[in-house]
Amino acid sequence: AQTVTQSQPEMSVQEAETVTLSCTYDTSESDYYLFWYKQPPSRQMILVIRQEAYKQQNATENRFSVNFQKAAKSFSLKISDSQLGDAAMYFCAYRSPLVLSGGGADGLTFGKGTHLIIQP
Amino acid sequence: ETGVTQTPRHLVMGMTNKKSLKCEQHLGHNAMYWYKQSAKKPLELMFVYSLEERVENNSVPSRFSPECPNSSHLFLHLHTLQPEDSALYLCASSRDRGSYNEQFFGPGTRLTVL
Repeated sequence: AQTVTQSQPEMSVQEAETVTLSCTYDTSESDYYLFWYKQPPSRQMILVIRQEAYKQQNATENRFSVNFQKAAKSFSLKISDSQLGDAAMYFCAYRSPLVLSGGGADGLTFGKGTHLIIQP
Repeated sequence: ETGVTQTPRHLVMGMTNKKSLKCEQHLGHNAMYWYKQSAKKPLELMFVYSLEERVENNSVPSRFSPECPNSSHLFLHLHTLQPEDSALYLCASSRDRGSYNEQFFGPGTRLTVL
């Protein structure tokens, strides 16, 4: 079974600065998918960014980018120019390859999350 | 209404009660999911439905009973729950079960079992 570890229960950053959230995972699969989800206080969880393991290029979405190190099984999230609206719980998640053929595990495997605080 | 909605948002029930959680998605998706979010624990996948058929049950106790009458609606029927079942229950949907598909989450139902 896959596991996802987020070693930072809480992180704090000054507004406009850059912060990196760490995530490591354990898997024996060679192809898989990785995600970062954001859960603001009392609001719905939304997708921040995703990465396909077979793609070497790191995914970017505006101020959000990842550092994907497949050999190290590491998938960190970098937030540049932090804004107050970035304050939230951030969850790293893993998903096994396509399951339409009936094999593999379904759904997402999540880490415990990192609580990101933005200091004004 | 847009996205994924869940009702009720908060529920307090006794251990002998029977209640149901409802999830509705307005996105035209074919796959729906129930997750359990407990304090200090990772989100746990409970059930997956694809085209109204259950495709996974992650060893969830039988006191939780899902129902998917159509591709837009998902229910979680609860009976004789335990206090440790208190948690935030999240519903999600995706276009299909394809692994790269984004899952869209509802706001959750905060369940307290007394």
